[in-house]
Amino acid sequence: GENVEQHPSTLSVQEGDSAVIKCTYSDSASNYFPWYKQELGKGPQLIIDIRSNVGEKKDQRIAVTLNKTAKHFSLHITETQPEDSAVYFCALITSGTYKYIFGTGTRLKVLA
Amino acid sequence: EAGVTQFPSHSVIEKGQTVTLRCDPISGHDNLYWYRRVMGKEIKFLLHFVKESKQDESGMPNNRFLAERTGGTYSTLKVQPAELEDSGVYFCASSQVGGNTQYFGPGTRLTVL
Repeated sequence: GENVEQHPSTLSVQEGDSAVIKCTYSDSASNYFPWYKQELGKGPQLIIDIRSNVGEKKDQRIAVTLNKTAKHFSLHITETQPEDSAVYFCALITSGTYKYIFGTGTRLKVLA
Repeated sequence: EAGVTQFPSHSVIEKGQTVTLRCDPISGHDNLYWYRRVMGKEIKFLLHFVKESKQDESGMPNNRFLAERTGGTYSTLKVQPAELEDSGVYFCASSQVGGNTQYFGPGTRLTVL
């Protein structure tokens, strides 16, 4: 079945620096790619998403890029702040279903 | 508007016992999903309800797991009898009809000793 590889598993950056997390997938019919942030003790919260007919989407300090040919999508966080520290999950919807396939998560630590 | 709620937040049981988890989706969301994250691994799909009907239960591990959604509102996930490998965080999510975006609850952390 479909699986999603997410890298890196952990990432430490200095406050103010940028962070990039990348996910690769195999099903070329995947058409929806959300990113979730999970803080301690809470459930995953949607932070940004992108559909397969769009190459890039930006929302303030957060952006997502999608390369359908190479089958990868990336989360970019600029000007990182300590409150960005959390576990980030990429996901996608496989063709013909509504279920999410998740990556294994990236623990981001922003050092003040 | 209230988000997805789950009860309990934590449950510690012994192997062989029964546990029932509850999920209340966002009001008006016909789609309800159950997922599970085992320590350090990815969040894995368990099943999907549309109203009270099971649309996809391909992720259910085995017949010790039973999910219900009577009346198409809240859902329960029962594990009977629980085994050590059932430990993990169980998430519920809901979405609108035709919507791709799923909204997650805070999860139930299940520990089987």
